[in-house]
Formats: sequence, C-alpha cells, structure tokens
Amino acid sequence: TQLLEQSPQFLSIQEGENLTVYCNSSSVFSSLQWYRQEPGEGPVLLVTGVTGGEVKKLKRLTFHFGDARKDSSLHITAAQPGDTGLYLCAGQETSGSRLTFGEGTQLTVNP
Amino acid sequence: NAGVMQNPRHLVRRRGQEARLRCSPMKGHSHVYWYRQLPEEGLKFMVYLQKENIIDESGMPKERFSAEFPKEGPSILRIQQVVRGDSAAYFCASTWGGTDTQYFGPGTRLTVL
Repeated sequence: TQLLEQSPQFLSIQEGENLTVYCNSSSVFSSLQWYRQEPGEGPVLLVTGVTGGEVKKLKRLTFHFGDARKDSSLHITAAQPGDTGLYLCAGQETSGSRLTFGEGTQLTVNP
Repeated sequence: NAGVMQNPRHLVRRRGQEARLRCSPMKGHSHVYWYRQLPEEGLKFMVYLQKENIIDESGMPKERFSAEFPKEGPSILRIQQVVRGDSAAYFCASTWGGTDTQYFGPGTRLTVL
C-alpha cells in the first residue's frame, strides 16, 4: 500500500508570511498533484507534476517534485486569508490510475 | 472542479435504507473515480469506472456497495442497507482518460441516522 505523509498537519500564519508544506512517501509515483479543499466542497487542483526534479511556479505558488519521484513540496509566498484551506497531496502509481491522498495540511492565514 | 456535478449535495438516510449517489462527469470525460472522505480522515479511493466497465474496484467494501457508469446517464454509487459508519462525504472525479488530472465534484454528504 502506498502512503503519503504530509507535514505539518496544521499551520497557522499571518497574512503576508511565506510557508512550505511537504509530502513524502517511500513509494515512487508517476505523477503527484496538490489540491486545496475548502469546507463543504470538493478538492480543487492546484498543480500537477510528472517529471522528477520538476519545478513549477504559478503566481505565488512554487511546486517541486522530488528527483526520485517520492516527495514534493508546495511553497506559498505572501500568504493571503483566501489561501486558507486543507492542502492535499495525491500521487498516482501509473497514469490514469487512482489517486492516493495524504491526510492533508490544514492552513489558516490570519488577517 | 467546475463541470463535475454531483447530486444530491446532502443525503440523509435511516439505518437499513438505500442511498443512491449520482455523478455527472465533465463534458467529454468518460472515466469516473469515486472517493470517500470519512470524518477527520483523508480521501480514500473506492472505484474507477469507464463507460459500462468497472476498471478497478479494489477500494470498494465487499458488501452493500456497488457502482455503475452506464452508456447513457450519470455514474451511480449505490449503498444498500446503510449503517452509521457509512456517514461520510463521497466525491467523484472525472478525466477523459488521456491525462493524469482528475477533476472533482462538490461531493455528496451522506448522513445515516
């Protein structure tokens, strides 16, 4: 069974601060994705990585997919209250297969 | 998650009743995945379907749960004789099959009294 461990479990910061959340596994994934989920809603895709060592920058988000395709990080600069939510990483063993989710990082950005 | 529709958004059932959850994938998508999110837990895979075929049902409980994705109409997740432990949020996601990206619906929150 593939497991994804996310850290930290909870994170509370002030508006304007930077943060990084992590996702680690002992298993190799063909792709790894980050989602944000707000209460009462479904996960919304933020970014997908398919190449080991890949770095993607999307506005205030920087995504890194580890060289060995086992881990990932998501860095957010200048956090805003609208960034508050549950951040989930999810990996796919092979293209098109089911997603294995981590337990999530609950982020709170205080005004 | 725009485009993936789930209904109902909230469903209340008494123990022993049946629950039917519907998922309409995004236009053009022919692959559907169902996930369950129990209270205070992460999302867990249940079943993966393509039109008229079950591809992977390794996450489905052995009894009372079934899923289908007919040629016409939405995908249906059916739970027979519900128990309180079935209370959870059920999400479906869809893809067109040629991409790793799964787009999620807003979920159905099932409460079993």
